[in-house]
Amino acid sequence: DAGVTQSPTHLIKTRGQQVTLRCSPISGHKSVSWYQQVLGQGPQFIFQYYEKEERGRGNFPDRFSARQFPNYSSELNVNALLLGDSALYLCASSLSDRDRGLSGSGNTIYFGEGSWLTVV
Amino acid sequence: AQSVTQLDSHVSVSEGTPVLLRCNYSSSYSPSLFWYVQHPNKGLQLLLKYTSAATLVKGINGFEAEFKKSETSFHLTKPSAHMSDAAEYFCVVTPRSNNNDMRFGAGTRLTVKP
Repeated sequence: DAGVTQSPTHLIKTRGQQVTLRCSPISGHKSVSWYQQVLGQGPQFIFQYYEKEERGRGNFPDRFSARQFPNYSSELNVNALLLGDSALYLCASSLSDRDRGLSGSGNTIYFGEGSWLTVV
Repeated sequence: AQSVTQLDSHVSVSEGTPVLLRCNYSSSYSPSLFWYVQHPNKGLQLLLKYTSAATLVKGINGFEAEFKKSETSFHLTKPSAHMSDAAEYFCVVTPRSNNNDMRFGAGTRLTVKP
């Protein structure tokens, strides 16, 4: 089975432009999350979507938006790009939006290889 | 609120020697804790997770971690390092209610010398 797939893998944009990043979750997964990883830092949570509804939002400006489609794929949009938006954008998918409780199995989250965005 | 602190930004070991990557957490809730590994130009791979079952968690590739509530720690260990273990390692905490809101540490770069 295919893992989490993201496109494009690399792209270069100019300040002020807009970008759309795409993510296809693992088949059967209904939750998609987006993370930004600036070089040399750990990923930071941007959004989580489950069943096409926003379930969580990190501390990012309104220039960042996302949506989830009926087939559970997702897009992340960033408007008015700044140099500081240059980063690796990671998509993650999971079965559910919540932990499975005390069973210990948890709700494993799988990451894609990311989209490298460079803003010049 | 929850957060993790990875106490070392860089750890260097010789091949065949033990690995210890340290992580302390802060959480208002009963946390779930994870370790992920990231090889250069690769996505994040789950090594192991703690979700309220056994406090000693065994993961892939010989790694394990012990949840110590009294010390608020979740250190990652491996008895014998391999060259292929060289990578960036991230400690992650989430609230038990929503594993998708993951809070990553800053990462520890592990170097393995021959």
